[in-house]
Amino acid sequence: DTAVSQTPKYLVTQMGNDKSIKCEQNLGHDTMYWYKQDSKKFLKIMFSYNNKELIINETVPNRFSPKSPDKAHLNLHINSLELGDSAVYFCASSQQPGGASYEQYFGPGTRLTVT
Amino acid sequence: AQSVTQLGSHVSVSEGALVLLRCNYSSSVPPYLFWYVQYPNQGLQLLLKYTSAATLVKGINGFEAEFKKSETSFHLTKPSAHMSDAAEYFCAVANTNAGKSTFGDGTTLTVKP
Repeated sequence: DTAVSQTPKYLVTQMGNDKSIKCEQNLGHDTMYWYKQDSKKFLKIMFSYNNKELIINETVPNRFSPKSPDKAHLNLHINSLELGDSAVYFCASSQQPGGASYEQYFGPGTRLTVT
Repeated sequence: AQSVTQLGSHVSVSEGALVLLRCNYSSSVPPYLFWYVQYPNQGLQLLLKYTSAATLVKGINGFEAEFKKSETSFHLTKPSAHMSDAAEYFCAVANTNAGKSTFGDGTTLTVKP
C-alpha cells in the first residue's frame, strides 16, 4: 500500500493551460509538502501545510495555489502554465513541521512538461 | 538559518571501491541531518538520519555517516560500492527554528563495472 501517492505521474500540457496535481498520504502524518525538482535535479520547497494550515510559502508565483482539504491530502493547482514550470513535482509528508528529527516521505513525483 | 553544501556534483567509483559523498552544513542551533537517495524516475527515500543520539549513524544498504560538529560535516560512506548504488544522493539539514528541511544540490554517484 503506497505511503505517499501522486496523480498523475506524467502531465503534458500547453502553455496557458490550468492543471492540478493531487497528493495523498496514508501515514497519518500532520505535515505535507510540495517540492519542485528542476532539470539539474535541484530540489526546492514550495509549500508546506500542517494540519490543513499553510505554514511555509516560499517565493512561488501566485499562479501556484496549494489546497489541503484534510491533513491526508495536499493538491497543487497551477494556472496559466509557462514553459519554465516544466519540472518534476514531489509531494512529501512528515510527522512534524520542518522534518526536524522526523524524516520526510516522498511520493513518486509528477513530471510536468509544458509545450 | 541553515544551509547545506554537497561537495562534488558528480562522483564516480569502481564497483567494490569505497564510496565517499561529502556534506557540510551550517545551522544556528543543533541540527538534524539526513541523507536521501533518489533512484532514476523515483522519489527520494531516506538512507539515514542524525538526531543527536549517536555521531556514527548506520543506514540502509550498508551506508553510514558520521556527524562531526567540529568540522560541521556529515559525510556519507559505504565500504564497497555496488552497481545498484548508482543514484542521486541528497544531504539535508533541519532544525526546530527553521521549520523546514533544506536540501543540498545533490551528488550523482556513478558506479563503474
